[in-house]
Amino acid sequence: DIQMTQSPSSLSASVGDRVTITCRASQPISNYVNWYQQRPGRAPELLIYVTSLLQSGIPSRFSGSGSGTDFTLTISSLQPDDVATYYCQQSYTNPSTFGQGTKLQIK
Amino acid sequence: QITLRESGPTLVKPTQTLTLTCTFSGFSLSTSGVSVGWIRQPPGKALEWLALIYWDDEKRFSPLLQSRLAITKDTSKNQVVLTVTDVDPVDTAAYFCAHRRVSGAYDKWGQGTLVTVSS
Repeated sequence: DIQMTQSPSSLSASVGDRVTITCRASQPISNYVNWYQQRPGRAPELLIYVTSLLQSGIPSRFSGSGSGTDFTLTISSLQPDDVATYYCQQSYTNPSTFGQGTKLQIK
Repeated sequence: QITLRESGPTLVKPTQTLTLTCTFSGFSLSTSGVSVGWIRQPPGKALEWLALIYWDDEKRFSPLLQSRLAITKDTSKNQVVLTVTDVDPVDTAAYFCAHRRVSGAYDKWGQGTLVTVSS
């Protein structure tokens, strides 16, 4: 199975900060990485698919980049509503696998 | 508009079989390219992918759980059913079903159903 390693596992930043979360795959996965936001007590929500495509209805402050084994989710200007846990997922091959999550809080 | 909703027992005893139903609307599982997956999340832990069923009845399972999982679809009822046999307390989790894009991203999720395994 392909392992997805996220960093950091938790993060505290101020409103307006630029925030970056990284995900490393244990082998090359082309651009088959997706990012999800999960607020407490809620189902995950798709933010970014195929590395850099913004899901409909998601604010443009979210963006994704990367290729091969290293991928990044960026929030250009952190908002209070962004408090959540973020997960990457590889869909290059079955079984699909998720990262362990990054918990984002506001300072 | 795509919606999904999970249903099933909230409490099961160890060694029993857990049966969960995903009822969906806004798409058809008989349409080429469509698939539905199941993902679970133990309390306070990360997401774990479990199983996937395609429009053509192809199925994929987590290798760790493959011997205990089954997935079926009923296109006339717009339902997907996941069964987990011989459950253990470690199977306690929120179980989600989700619509899967061709690219493999899960773009619509059900609200999830919390299942507790306890005697």
